[in-house]
Amino acid sequence: DVQLLQSGGGLVQPGGSLRLSCGASGFTFSTYAMSWVRQAPGTGLEWVASISGSGGSTYSADSVKGRFTISRDNSKNTLYLQMNSLRAEDTAVYYCAKDALMAVLRFQFDNWGQGILVTVSS
Amino acid sequence: QSALTQPPSASGSPGQSVTISCTGTSSDIGGYNFVSWYQQHPGKAPKLMIYEVSKRPSGVPNRFSGSKSGNTASLTVSGLQAEDEADYYCSSYAAKNKVIFGGGTKLTVL
Repeated sequence: DVQLLQSGGGLVQPGGSLRLSCGASGFTFSTYAMSWVRQAPGTGLEWVASISGSGGSTYSADSVKGRFTISRDNSKNTLYLQMNSLRAEDTAVYYCAKDALMAVLRFQFDNWGQGILVTVSS
Repeated sequence: QSALTQPPSASGSPGQSVTISCTGTSSDIGGYNFVSWYQQHPGKAPKLMIYEVSKRPSGVPNRFSGSKSGNTASLTVSGLQAEDEADYYCSSYAAKNKVIFGGGTKLTVL
């Protein structure tokens, strides 16, 4: 079974940094694009960033561009999201998600992590 | 890019059918066949119910079906069951390697 296990959330002050991790198992990690999606309290889903299976291509939402960096270590089957210059509006539950189609990024997510809360507050 | 437009709520009685719409533009729904639908129960991660407009992942009941016409996609839930009560989100691939989500629809089973 596919499993995505997230870690690294918590409380951080505005302007601070945090790194989220997502450990994958149950599939050939390097052959699937991966993404981060967030959900602010009481609101809908918002795409944050995506990365190709090789890690050679990355894409991010305008709202986080220049502040958040998505990366992956295929030798460790782990996806990361480095978040810098955090703002109150970044407060959300962050999910890692696996693309449904092998070898291409089509932003259709068939497996999700459990979600982890990031709170940006002083 | 604006979010896709979904009705905030929908409802139906057990056994009935309900359809949830999702309206975008020619730059997203109308331009690509990468429309997905997700079900989310309170406090849980989203679950993929439909991908590529109308395909169902393994394990999703065939009571769930998807379609698209022009810039509008639709999710139909037939034979409503109590466990179908949840929030539903549509999403679509958009130009320049982005994805946008709808605002979500709360489905109530009466």
